[in-house]
Amino acid sequence: KQEVTQIPAALSVPEGENLVLNCSFTDSAIYNLQWFRQDPGKGLTSLLLIQSSQREQTSGRLNASLDKSSGRSTLYIAASQPGDSATYLCAVKGSGGSNYKLTFGKGTLLTMNP
Amino acid sequence: DTGVSQNPRHKITKRGQNVTFRCDPISEHNRLYWYRQTLGQGPEFLTYFQNEAQLEKSRLLSDRFSAERPKGSFSTLEIQRTEQGDSAMYLCASNVGTLNTEAFFGQGTRLTVV
Repeated sequence: KQEVTQIPAALSVPEGENLVLNCSFTDSAIYNLQWFRQDPGKGLTSLLLIQSSQREQTSGRLNASLDKSSGRSTLYIAASQPGDSATYLCAVKGSGGSNYKLTFGKGTLLTMNP
Repeated sequence: DTGVSQNPRHKITKRGQNVTFRCDPISEHNRLYWYRQTLGQGPEFLTYFQNEAQLEKSRLLSDRFSAERPKGSFSTLEIQRTEQGDSAMYLCASNVGTLNTEAFFGQGTRLTVV
């Protein structure tokens, strides 16, 4: 059974800092990994999708890397801003019989300090 | 708005009542998913449809839960005889039915059972 872990569970940083969120998964047989953002009481906004054959994806200030063999991904946020405060969720899509669903971690709650 | 749409956004119901949620996916997406998210947790898979066919149901989906997707367009999720443990955010997602495509989520329906 695939398990996804996100560390840290919560992070508080001053504005302007670069930061790294971590995600690990137990079964390396995945099709892709997706990072989402969730604001309080809201749905999920897709940030980046990395295919299993890719090493990284970039979108603006966000860069996500994937090391499939070791079961790890990182989300790098450059020059953090107040609007970055949210919960960041990592999810993997498994291969084989579970290639239709995403398995999520519990998320990292990011709080920006002015 | 061409994103995934969910209604209602919030629902408060008394224990024992039936509730129904609706999800309108992105129009060209043939796959539709339901997830449930409780406080402090990541979303958990409930069920998914490819067009009008319901292809998989999680063990989380008890006999009180039923989902439909008539004509392969919108979907409904009904919970009968609601219990306090059903209180959660119910999220709908959709994508094009190939393995490596990005999943898009709606804003969710927050259910509170009192």
